[in-house]
Amino acid sequence: AQTVTQSQPEMSVQEAETVTLSCTYDTSESDYYLFWYKQPPSRQMILVIRQEAYKQQNATENRFSVNFQKAAKSFSLKISDSQLGDAAMYFCAYRSAEYGNKLVFGAGTILRVKS
Amino acid sequence: DAMVIQNPRYQVTQFGKPVTLSCSQTLNHNVMYWYQQKSSQAPKLLFHYYDKDFNNEADTPDNFQSRRPNTSFCFLDIRSPGLGDAAMYLCATSRGSGVEIYEQYFGPGTRLTVT
Repeated sequence: AQTVTQSQPEMSVQEAETVTLSCTYDTSESDYYLFWYKQPPSRQMILVIRQEAYKQQNATENRFSVNFQKAAKSFSLKISDSQLGDAAMYFCAYRSAEYGNKLVFGAGTILRVKS
Repeated sequence: DAMVIQNPRYQVTQFGKPVTLSCSQTLNHNVMYWYQQKSSQAPKLLFHYYDKDFNNEADTPDNFQSRRPNTSFCFLDIRSPGLGDAAMYLCATSRGSGVEIYEQYFGPGTRLTVT
């Protein structure tokens, strides 16, 4: 079974600075998808960024980018120019490309943004 | 525009009293999911429907049931809620095929309190 580990329960960043959230995963599959989801307080979870395992190029969405290291099974999220609205719980998630629709989530990292 | 709607947002029920949570979607997605998220923990998949095909997770208690009468609606029934069932329940949807099959869209959740 796949597992996703987020080793940072909580992180803080100063507004306008850069922060990196860590995620590692364990799988025996070669083809899969990885995601970062953001869950603001009392609001719905939204997709921040996704990475297909077969792509070597790291995904980027505006201020959000990932560092995908397939051999190391590492998938970190970098948030540049942090904004107050980035404060949320961030979940890393894994989805098999072949077997079903299930998302396996990590335990989450609470990101606090200081003004 | 709301895409995944959950009602009610907050539900209080008594120990052992059956309760039903509702989810509807305007995305016309094939797949609908129910997740349980306990405080400060990762969402845990309970089951999902691919069209009318029901898929139960192996460790989902029998106390939890689901119905999907049509494409737009899905219900979560908790037959005899216990104190340990107090949680946020998240509904999500995704396409069943095509390019965007891997993205799940989440509703705002229903917070269930058991007294």
